[in-house]
Amino acid sequence: AQKVTQAQTEISVVEKEDVTLDCVYETRDTTYYLFWYKQPPSGELVFLIRRNSFDEQNEISGRYSWNFQKSTSSFNFTITASQVVDSAVYFCALKLAGGTSYGKLTFGQGTILTVHP
Amino acid sequence: NAGVTQTPKFQVLKTGQSMTLQCAQDMNHEYMSWYRQDPGMGLRLIHYSVGAGITDQGEVPNGYNVSRSTTEDFPLRLLSAAPSQTSVYFCASSQNPGFTEAFFGQGTRLTVV
Repeated sequence: AQKVTQAQTEISVVEKEDVTLDCVYETRDTTYYLFWYKQPPSGELVFLIRRNSFDEQNEISGRYSWNFQKSTSSFNFTITASQVVDSAVYFCALKLAGGTSYGKLTFGQGTILTVHP
Repeated sequence: NAGVTQTPKFQVLKTGQSMTLQCAQDMNHEYMSWYRQDPGMGLRLIHYSVGAGITDQGEVPNGYNVSRSTTEDFPLRLLSAAPSQTSVYFCASSQNPGFTEAFFGQGTRLTVV
């Protein structure tokens, strides 16, 4: 069975600091997808990024960047120059490709990020 | 385009009561799922469906029933609510078998007293 671990339960930073959220996953499958979702205080889940297991290229989107390393089974998320609006719970998730995996996302426990002004 | 709509947003039940959480999507997605979110445990899959008439159990299915009579709707039924079912429930849908991007509803906060 697959597993996703977000070891950081809570992180607190001051505005403009950079912050990295860690995500480590376990799976025996070779084909899978990794996700990050943001859950702001309003409660909805906002999709941030999807990565497939064959694409280890890092990605940058504005202040957000993601570092995918299959060698360490990690998919870390960095926010550069954090802002108060980044305060949220962030979830890392894993989905196996195909077979009986339809609709099955395995989530980490979530990391609560608080950005202070 | 409404996306995934969940109703109600909040609900309080007494132990033993039954109720149905509604989920509807207008994107013609085949794949739909229900998750529950509990503090420190992330989201856990309850049931999922790969199309009308087809459902299967997820990680924590006990105490919940589902059906999928149409592509649009995927209701979650609690037959006899228990305090352990106090949680936030999310419905999700996706258009492809890879479920590569799940669209989530706004969530239903359920309290069982």
